Amino acid sequence: EDQVTQSPEALRLQEGESSSLNCSYTVSGLRGLFWYRQDPGKGPEFLFTLYSAGEEKEKERLKATLTKKESFLHITAPKPEDSATYLCAVQSKGGYDKLIFGTGTRLQVFP
Amino acid sequence: GAVVSQHPSRVICKSGTSVKIECRSLDFQATTMFWYRQFPKQSLMLMATSNEGSKATYEQGVEKDKFLINHASLTLSTLTVTSAHPEDSSFYICSARGGGGPYNEQFFGPGTRLTVL
Repeated sequence: EDQVTQSPEALRLQEGESSSLNCSYTVSGLRGLFWYRQDPGKGPEFLFTLYSAGEEKEKERLKATLTKKESFLHITAPKPEDSATYLCAVQSKGGYDKLIFGTGTRLQVFP
Repeated sequence: GAVVSQHPSRVICKSGTSVKIECRSLDFQATTMFWYRQFPKQSLMLMATSNEGSKATYEQGVEKDKFLINHASLTLSTLTVTSAHPEDSSFYICSARGGGGPYNEQFFGPGTRLTVL
């Protein structure tokens, strides 16, 4: 069964304190791994798609990496506006378009 | 980027009534739309997948007769919660995907908060 586990569940950082969020997955043939950001009471906002091990993508203070078993979302020198829940999802080759989501990491960045 | 809208953003209804939620892709044609449900502090759970012009595919445990989905055009899908009960209160989010190939990201709407009294 396809599964996604995110850790930590919650993370509190001081502004400027870099850290990483983890997404571990088991899937029967990875079609893609997706990172989304979700603010309270809103829908997820697309951040990155990663397709194969070794792939990396960057956007401002965020960098996503992918191995055969997990993905990391690195946050460099975070700012308070980076506070949100970060969701990881996988799509398997046999699952058509279906996304399997993790439970997310709630990030709080304090000034 | 691709924009998906939902209407209404919030709805409060009495138990036993039906509620319709609209999902629109504003700047692209969505061959496939998805409906999710999210409980507080929990992740998104896929309810159903719909392709334009065909019947929706429901996930296991989701009642087809209770959650009616219609994908009448490439830019509009609707979810109707029939005979709503308090346990149906939740945050409903739609997403849309256009085309195939490697660019298969799903873009999400802002969500609809349903409260059933």
